[in-house]
Amino acid sequence: SQQGEEDPQALSIQEGENATMNCSYKTSINNLQWYRQNSGRGLVHLILIRSNEREKHSGRLRVTLDTSKKSSSLLITASRAADTASYFCATAALKTGANNLFFGTGTRLTVIP
Amino acid sequence: SQTIHQWPATLVQPVGSPLSLECTVEGTSNPNLYWYRQAAGRGLQLLFYSIGIDQISSEVPQNLSASRPQDRQFILSSKKLLLSDSGFYLCAWSGTASPLHFGNGTRLTVT
Repeated sequence: SQQGEEDPQALSIQEGENATMNCSYKTSINNLQWYRQNSGRGLVHLILIRSNEREKHSGRLRVTLDTSKKSSSLLITASRAADTASYFCATAALKTGANNLFFGTGTRLTVIP
Repeated sequence: SQTIHQWPATLVQPVGSPLSLECTVEGTSNPNLYWYRQAAGRGLQLLFYSIGIDQISSEVPQNLSASRPQDRQFILSSKKLLLSDSGFYLCAWSGTASPLHFGNGTRLTVT
């Protein structure tokens, strides 16, 4: 399977701390994306990093990509209670095309006020 | 701006009954459309995707089917539901090589 796998499965931190989530995948990719899902809702796109990029920032989010290790990390700085959600990485494989995303099982983040 | 509508939000159906979930997109033309299923506490499984009217690819063999009768309408169907069809169904759209935009999902419980 080319699905990403997030690590850890669950993470609990205090408000103000940083949260780091990791994603590993198996095949060569076109891009890797991170999504957020609040309980019982649809997913919301956070950030996309292309295979030729190594790092990308968006507000309090920082994403890195290491294609040699087939891994990515999502860092949320200065976490807030509102960041509590599940976070998924999704990969667009070179073989199947940029629009066929395959999702991992997610990291459940709890930020304690 | 683009919006995606998915309904119903929740559905309880008996085993063996038919299913029809509908998804429509507004504010864009010729979107790529997707159906995903999410089992409890799990990741998303891609079921179907479509790059145009009557152009649908199936990712997983099962008793579900999808149709795209209009450019911005995507329908997920089943003739006879199984218990294993229970889950959270998500419709999404995208442009070419762009992120996915999801609907709010349908929680399906097959009893």
